[in-house]
Amino acid sequence: TQLLEQSPQFLSIQEGENLTVYCNSSSVFSSLQWYRQEPGEGPVLLVTVVTGGEVKKLKRLTFQFGDARKDSSLHITAAQPGDTGLYLCAGVSGTYKYIFGTGTRLKVLA
Amino acid sequence: GAGVSQSPSNKVTEKGKDVELRCDPISGHTALYWYRQSLGQGLEFLIYFQGNSAPDKSGLPSDRFSAERTGGSVSTLTIQRTQQEDSAVYLCASSPGPPGNTIYFGEGSWLTVV
Repeated sequence: TQLLEQSPQFLSIQEGENLTVYCNSSSVFSSLQWYRQEPGEGPVLLVTVVTGGEVKKLKRLTFQFGDARKDSSLHITAAQPGDTGLYLCAGVSGTYKYIFGTGTRLKVLA
Repeated sequence: GAGVSQSPSNKVTEKGKDVELRCDPISGHTALYWYRQSLGQGLEFLIYFQGNSAPDKSGLPSDRFSAERTGGSVSTLTIQRTQQEDSAVYLCASSPGPPGNTIYFGEGSWLTVV
């Protein structure tokens, strides 16, 4: 069974602080995606990383795919209250399967 | 439609009753997924459709769960003889093609079994 473990599970920080969320697996994925989900809504895609070692930046968010394509990290610089939400990583396996991580619930306090 | 549409948005049912959850994907999207999400947790894969066929039903928790897709469009997830542990948000998503593309989620159907 393929599993994606995220850490930390919960994170509460003050506005302006930096944070990193980790997504780890023993399986290799062809690509990895990060989503953010707000209450009452479905997850929304933030980024897709494809190449081992790839780094992508989206404003204050930096995403990295591990060299072995088994893990990923999401770093947020100078967090803002609008960053609050549930962050999910998803590994793409085979031809169609998206395996979602356990989730990290982030709360940024003003 | 503009996005993935799911209905009902909320459903409260008595234990032992059957429920049907509907998903209307984005027009033209060939791939359709059902996931289950317990309160604030990650997503559990249930089933994947490519067109009308379901090559992977491995995530369905028991034989009380079934799903179908007709006309390459609308999908229905049916839960028979509901149990309290079936309470969760059921999310549908669609995608235009190969994995690695964006998958678009609906807002989910919140099922509560009392």
